[in-house]
Amino acid sequence: SQKIEQNSEALNIQEGKTATLTCNYTNYSPAYLQWYRQDPGRGPVFLLLIRENEKEKRKERLKVTFDTTLKQSLFHITASQPADSATYLCALDGTGGFKTIFGAGTRLFVKA
Amino acid sequence: DADVTQTPRNRITKTGKRIMLECSQTKGHDRMYWYRQDPGLGLRLIYYSFDVKDINKGEISDGYSVSRQAQAKFSLSLESAIPNQTALYFCATSGRTQGEVYNEQFFGPGTRLTVL
Repeated sequence: SQKIEQNSEALNIQEGKTATLTCNYTNYSPAYLQWYRQDPGRGPVFLLLIRENEKEKRKERLKVTFDTTLKQSLFHITASQPADSATYLCALDGTGGFKTIFGAGTRLFVKA
Repeated sequence: DADVTQTPRNRITKTGKRIMLECSQTKGHDRMYWYRQDPGLGLRLIYYSFDVKDINKGEISDGYSVSRQAQAKFSLSLESAIPNQTALYFCATSGRTQGEVYNEQFFGPGTRLTVL
């Protein structure tokens, strides 16, 4: 069955450093891969989408890579800030944009 | 005002009771979704609707039903609630009204449901 794996252990980093989160998937060939941010008690918020034919996408301090051979995406936050502390969810889509599959998320803590 | 709203935000009910969770959106999106979130399991799709006349089962639809009363409203019902339906429930929308792609989903604030 289709499966998404995100590191269940929380990631703790120091302010100013680059945070790198990993999303691995199996038994799926997604056309799109997305990253969402979720704060405690709130709904996920869309951050970035990358297509299968794109290797990398950037938005401000965020960078996403997508390696369809390794079946992996890396999500980077550069110059991290305490306000970046949240859970980050990886999500996969086929074409059509429905039946999105979400990972369980990785909790990020940025210490001042 | 929030683009996607859910009511109630918190609900405690007893086994066997019927309960309805409601979702409204002002984004003008045609697609709406219901998910549940459990610790360590991520979001799982319950039902999705492409428009008022198109409703589809998701990964975990057993024990749930939905109604799309209008383009802006999508409700989720638990006909006879059971304790393992205790979870955080999210409504989401997607569309292309402002240049988005359908994959980009906008989530409501969630409903925390506890079934005793």
